[in-house]
Amino acid sequence: KAGVTQTPRYLIKTRGQQVTLSCSPISGHRSVSWYQQTPGQGLQFLFEYFSETQRNKGNFPGRFSGRQFSNSRSEMNVSTLELGDSALYLCASSGHSGANVLTFGAGSRLTVL
Amino acid sequence: DAKTTQPPSMDCAEGRAANLPCNHSTISGNEYVYWYRQIHSQGPQYIIHGLKNNETNEMASLIITEDRKSSTLILPHATLRDTAVYYCIVRINAGGTSYGKLTFGQGTILTVHP
Repeated sequence: KAGVTQTPRYLIKTRGQQVTLSCSPISGHRSVSWYQQTPGQGLQFLFEYFSETQRNKGNFPGRFSGRQFSNSRSEMNVSTLELGDSALYLCASSGHSGANVLTFGAGSRLTVL
Repeated sequence: DAKTTQPPSMDCAEGRAANLPCNHSTISGNEYVYWYRQIHSQGPQYIIHGLKNNETNEMASLIITEDRKSSTLILPHATLRDTAVYYCIVRINAGGTSYGKLTFGQGTILTVHP
């Protein structure tokens, strides 16, 4: 079956702009979570959505937001971009089996100039 | 979630077993040990998880000590494609309210040499 799909894979923005990233989870998975990965901070949890509701949130400023649609697809938005937002943004989906395993997408690499 | 400690880097010869240790001395009774790996520029990939018994799947084996304070991930016959960052994560399993939240440490960079 198809994996987790993230679009776009690469994008370049300038400071002050905003960006929207998209994630399509594995069919049947209702949980979608987002992570930011930078060389300095490593992999950090942003937020998680389940059935269109944000269930958990990491320690990021309010410029980072997300949403989930009824088909479980998710988007995250970063407003007023800063240079430090340059990162690989990863999306993961999870089904609600006992294993509680996350399947990650390939990520969206954002460069802020 | 309990904190984990891993060596920053390890080397292994191709075809040999790679044994990656993880210390999780503050693990609680309902926390599982999960291993993920991340090959350069890709998303993390699930490898294996366990509670207290040793586990084996097609990718690896997981050995958890009797006191559960440490574990070892074993790749029985490492190949060049196993070169990656390996993350040991301890967390509560399904049934909680944090399915999607994983706390990643710095992991171990495993380099497999020809």
